[in-house]
Amino acid sequence: EILLTQSPGTLSLSPGERATLSCRASQSVSGNYLAWYQQTPGQAPRLLIYGASNRATGISDRFSGSGSGTDFTLTISRLEPEDFAVYHCQQYGSSPRYTFGQGTKLEIK
Amino acid sequence: QVTLRESGPALVKPTQTLTVTCTFSGFSLSTSKMCVNWIRQPPGKALEWLARIDWDDDTYYNTPLKTRLTISKDTSKNQVILSMTNMDPVDTATYYCASSSWYQPYEFDSWGQGTLVTVSS
Repeated sequence: EILLTQSPGTLSLSPGERATLSCRASQSVSGNYLAWYQQTPGQAPRLLIYGASNRATGISDRFSGSGSGTDFTLTISRLEPEDFAVYHCQQYGSSPRYTFGQGTKLEIK
Repeated sequence: QVTLRESGPALVKPTQTLTVTCTFSGFSLSTSKMCVNWIRQPPGKALEWLARIDWDDDTYYNTPLKTRLTISKDTSKNQVILSMTNMDPVDTATYYCASSSWYQPYEFDSWGQGTLVTVSS
């Protein structure tokens, strides 16, 4: 089973700043099948990025994903108030097998 | 537009069987090559994928939970049902259903709002 470790656990930034969130896999993620989700309190997760770097439909270009193999990054440029949320990474493996990271909380500084 | 909505009991007793239902619209599981998944999230903890059913009736389960889970579909009602046996307090979580494309089942495109299930005597 591939384990995903997200860092930092909590990130405190101000609106207008740039956020960089990390997701590290215990083994190489096949096909770079790595996705990112945003979850606000009391809401379901929302798909932001799939295939490590592809924005989902309707997602602002302030969100970008990068990385391959075991190291992946979600970058949010110019933070808006609505961006403060919890972010989850998720990978797809054979069988099939889906695993999630423990999440990074992005909070207002 | 794809929408999903979960329903089920808010409270179950230990050892009981949980049955949760996902009612969806915007696609048909009999004609559209789609998949429906169940994912849960204990309070304050990480998301955990549980099971998936495909348009062609193929089913997949999270291996450690496989003996407790059954996923099925009722295409006439646009519903997917998940049963989990022998419930324990550690199974307390919000249970979500989420859809994915069968051609690209690597991520979860649309999610329901979730239903909170508490396991307690």
